[in-house]
Amino acid sequence: QVQVVQSGAEVKRPGASVKVSCKVSGYTLTELSMHWVRQAPGKGLEWMGGFDPEDGETIYAQKFQGRITMTEDTSTDTAYMELTSLRSEDTAVYYCATVYGSGNYMDVWGKGTTVTVSS
Amino acid sequence: EIVLTQSPATLSVSPGERATLSCRASQSVTSNLAWYQLKRGQAPRLLIYASSTRATGIPARFSGSRSGTEFTLTVSSLESEDFAVYYCQQYNNWPLTFGQGTRLEIK
Repeated sequence: QVQVVQSGAEVKRPGASVKVSCKVSGYTLTELSMHWVRQAPGKGLEWMGGFDPEDGETIYAQKFQGRITMTEDTSTDTAYMELTSLRSEDTAVYYCATVYGSGNYMDVWGKGTTVTVSS
Repeated sequence: EIVLTQSPATLSVSPGERATLSCRASQSVTSNLAWYQLKRGQAPRLLIYASSTRATGIPARFSGSRSGTEFTLTVSSLESEDFAVYYCQQYNNWPLTFGQGTRLEIK
C-alpha cells in the first residue's frame, strides 16, 4: 500500500519561490508516476502537472509553464514541486498524488500542503 | 483541453436516500474517467476509475456509469460520512482536467 507524506505549510512573499516535497513509502518512485494538483480557497481541483510514463517526460499544465518544476530524488523516494514568481493567486493547498499502473487516475493522495502568498 | 461540467453544483439529500451526480465531457474521453471524494482537512480519495470500477476498499454503495460523454456517480444509500465534495477527472487526454465539483450536503 502506497503512503504519501507531504511537507509542512509555507508562507511566502509575492515574487518568492516555494518547494513542496512528497515522500513515498510502500512503493518506490520508480514504480509510480507523481502528479501535483492544487485547490485554491473556494475553488475546485486544478491539475498542475505530472509524469507521463509512456514518453518518460513530465508534462506541465500550460498555465504553469515557465514557473513550475517537478523533480524526484529516487534515492529517498521523494518528489518535489517548485513554483516560482509566486503571487497571491497561488495561495492554495497543494497535493501530490500517485499513479500506479496504466491510466492516469490518482490512486493515493497526500494530505496537502498549504502555501500562503502574502505581503 | 477537455472541459468537464458537473451538475448539480450542490445536491441536498437525506441520509439513507440515493444521490446521483453527473459529469459531462466536452468531447469523448472513452471510459477514462475517475471520481474522487474530498473532505476538508483530508486527502482526496479515489472512488471510481475507468468510469465504473470501484477503487480498492470503496463500499459497494458507490457506483459509476457512462453513456457516451455523460458520466454518473451514484451513491445508493447515503451514510453520514458520504457528505463531501465530489470531483470527476478525465485522463484520456493531456492536460488532465477536473470538473468543478459537486457538493453533497445533508438535507
